[in-house]
Amino acid sequence: QKEVEQNSGPLSVPEGAIASLNCTYSDRVSQSFFWYRQYSGKSPELIMSIYSNGDKEDGRFTAQLNKASQYVSLLIRDSQPSDSATYLCAGPIYNQGGKLIFGQGTELSVKP
Amino acid sequence: DGGITQSPKYLFRKEGQNVTLSCEQNLNHDAMYWYRQDPGQGLRLIYYSQIVNDFQKGDIAEGYSVSREKKESFPLTVTSAQKNPTAFYLCASKARGGTGSFSEKLFFGSGTQLSVL
Repeated sequence: QKEVEQNSGPLSVPEGAIASLNCTYSDRVSQSFFWYRQYSGKSPELIMSIYSNGDKEDGRFTAQLNKASQYVSLLIRDSQPSDSATYLCAGPIYNQGGKLIFGQGTELSVKP
Repeated sequence: DGGITQSPKYLFRKEGQNVTLSCEQNLNHDAMYWYRQDPGQGLRLIYYSQIVNDFQKGDIAEGYSVSREKKESFPLTVTSAQKNPTAFYLCASKARGGTGSFSEKLFFGSGTQLSVL
């Protein structure tokens, strides 16, 4: 099993819809997670972090962490064309000094 | 302004040539990382360094080398042994917190696109 694995894309949603992005992780990953957004040709930018079981909301973004199922997700409500990007989830490996492992990314396209 | 500077933005390598990608940070961060990103894929860790004069291999270190002689600098050399070097290379850094453990937030440079001539 890959340490951090994302659902395959690309994902296409209409403007105004909810986009759902998902990630699973292995036992080697410490249970804090980060969602990054990456526009084409640019570096990733951190949009959400989550450390505890449950939901964390920030504006139109909600991150959900389920430690029992080793599952983390990102919901984007009222999706906008400007949300079109690749979304990467990442988690640190236990006892390796902050070494962050990334999933393969999910490309999201929001159609006007 | 504090940040991470990567140069050059675009780099072309001839067959058999070694090339060096620069990464400089003025954030006073202890840890620095190099990631490689291929089209449509996530980031894969090449090398990382938690302190000056020390570094560790990541998941895909073969064909690459690094040095960490200064806290603010972490250059990556792509050697001729790396047969498929075309990719987007990202440098990143993290701070060490008051307890000695590393902060969770990773700061990225703007990247270098390396292509083979």
